Order: sequence, then structure tokens, then C-alpha cells
Amino acid sequence: GDSVTQMEGPVTLSEEAFLTINCTYTATGYPSLFWYVQYPGEGLQLLLKATKADDKGSNKGFEATYRKETTSFHLEKGSVQVSDSAVYFCALSDGGATNKLIFGTGTLLAVQP
Amino acid sequence: EAGVAQSPRYKIIEKRQSVAFWCNPISGHATLYWYQQILGQGPKLLIQFQNNGVVDDSQLPKDRFSAERLKGVDSTLKIQPAKLEDSAVYLCASSLSSIAGRGYTFGSGTRLTVV
Repeated sequence: GDSVTQMEGPVTLSEEAFLTINCTYTATGYPSLFWYVQYPGEGLQLLLKATKADDKGSNKGFEATYRKETTSFHLEKGSVQVSDSAVYFCALSDGGATNKLIFGTGTLLAVQP
Repeated sequence: EAGVAQSPRYKIIEKRQSVAFWCNPISGHATLYWYQQILGQGPKLLIQFQNNGVVDDSQLPKDRFSAERLKGVDSTLKIQPAKLEDSAVYLCASSLSSIAGRGYTFGSGTRLTVV
């Protein structure tokens, strides 16, 4: 079945460092891809999404490009801030009747001042 | 707009007891989801409603879990009897429809601890 694999954390960076969180997927069809973020004590928030190959999703300085040839959707940010510390989840939706989201295991990002 | 409301925020129960969680989705959102998030794992779909009908409950342990969505608005998820492995955060989410590519809006979740 469909699945999502994320790099394991925690990822610890200094403020203003470059961030990459790897995400690859397995899907039989043409899924939509998402990044969700979960700040401490809060629910999941949609960070960005891409619905077809070569689309780039972006929000709050974060970017991810839907790469069909490598089945990847890596999250990047050029300069992280302490406030970016959170758990990041990659997810896919297979676009079936249910639009079910399948999540990766999450990557904890800790940004130090 | 108001977000997805869930209650309670925290619940501690003993194994074999029963527990219920409540969710109020965003007004007008026809699709409602319950996810289970075990510590260290990504959320897993338990059940999806479209209005007040069940669309997908294939991952719901029906011997102990039940859910309903009366009048297509609020929803309740129940566990009876609870097991230790049910300790998790239970997330409710809603969306306007089940069209592919639409993100969900999640509530803050209910953290359940079974002792």
C-alpha cells in the first residue's frame, strides 16, 4: 500500500542554518503531497502542499518540490529560526474517494539560538 | 473562522474502563476524520465521515472503538474497554469535502493515557 518515509530526527540546528528534511513516498497513483507542522502542545497545521509533479509548495520561507522521478518531497528552508522548532510530518493523499492522509513518522526539529 | 474544537484535552483512565472524546468541526465542513497518533508515530486514520455517513472505517478496531456523527455536525469517538496500547493522542480533523488535494484542519487533540 501507499506509504511515506521521513528522515529520522531529532534534527538540531543553529539559528540561520539551512534546513533539509527528506521525505520519499510510495504510491500506486498520482498522490497529492503535504507537509504538516506540529508545534508543542498544538494540533497539526498544514504548512504547504503540491498536487502534481514538478509543483513547488511554499509557505513561511519553507519550500518543497514534488519530484515524481525520485518520488520525493523534501522540505527546505534557507535560514531557520528558533520559532521553527516543531515536529514536521510529510503526508500523501492518494486522491481516492476518501482523500485519506497517510503520514510519515515525523521529524523533530530543534533550533538553538 | 473558529477552528476544530476537541474535548477533553487530557484523559487518564484505567485499563478496561470506557472513555469518550468529542469533536466539533469547522462550520460547514462536510467531512470529518478521527486519527490516532501514538507517541513517535505519524497519525493514522481511524474513521472518516461524509456528513453523517461513514466513508472509511477500515482501520477502526470495531470490537472496542465506536464513533458517530449525529446530524452531520459534532462527532463522538468512544473506546470500551480501553487497553494500554490505546494510549495516544486522538485527533479530529475536518475539511469542506473529500476532494483530493485539500488539506484538513486539525483540532488540538485529546491525549489519552491508559494505566
